[in-house]
Amino acid sequence: VVLEESGGELVQTGGSLRLSCVASGFTFGKFDMTWVRQAPGKGLEWVSFISASGLTVTTADSVRGRFTISRDNARNSLFLQMDSLRVEDTATYYCVRESNNGWYLDWGQGTLVAVS
Amino acid sequence: EIVLTQFPDTLSLSPGERATLSCRASQSVRFNNIAWYQQRPGQAPRLLIYDVSTRPTDIPERFSGSGSGTEFTLAISRLESEDFAVYHCHQYGLAPYTFGQGTKVEIK
Repeated sequence: VVLEESGGELVQTGGSLRLSCVASGFTFGKFDMTWVRQAPGKGLEWVSFISASGLTVTTADSVRGRFTISRDNARNSLFLQMDSLRVEDTATYYCVRESNNGWYLDWGQGTLVAVS
Repeated sequence: EIVLTQFPDTLSLSPGERATLSCRASQSVRFNNIAWYQQRPGQAPRLLIYDVSTRPTDIPERFSGSGSGTEFTLAISRLESEDFAVYHCHQYGLAPYTFGQGTKVEIK
């Protein structure tokens, strides 16, 4: 299993970014996926979830209305559209494959988003 | 939401010693839906334990999990050099899923 994130960079407050995650080594369309972030030197924080079909989406209160998760099963890809970015969104963002019961099976190496 | 508190924040031990890490939940975790992840410096987290005490096949036997309700423990029977890392507990019994703040296991 490989999860490869991209799209993180330095952006100004109020700006936008689109993170991508390309998956391989498993049948992408059969698994729920999640974005988890980690601010520098801090713990892990769940950001957003999308079901295997894409029909169910949930988002943390801290980013609701600003971040949108989506997926393209034909391209084995997961996305996170991030708008109205704030300094407190600065973090490494991980693409995560979720088990049927909720624990996190596999993690990408992460992509760093820095907001100044 | 369920708040997870890990203690201690830092554990200083020598290779070969036993490590015991704790995770306390602010309310009972349904179905014992607790996982533990290891995060080595500069790396992504890796699944160690799920459903309180189940190890994936690629995780060494020296790692074990226990607990129920609001109190959970990760034990490492004999620390090896690659075990010095940060460990995170995670509850997936109630949305939103949450994590503890992490416990760092460092070389004494």
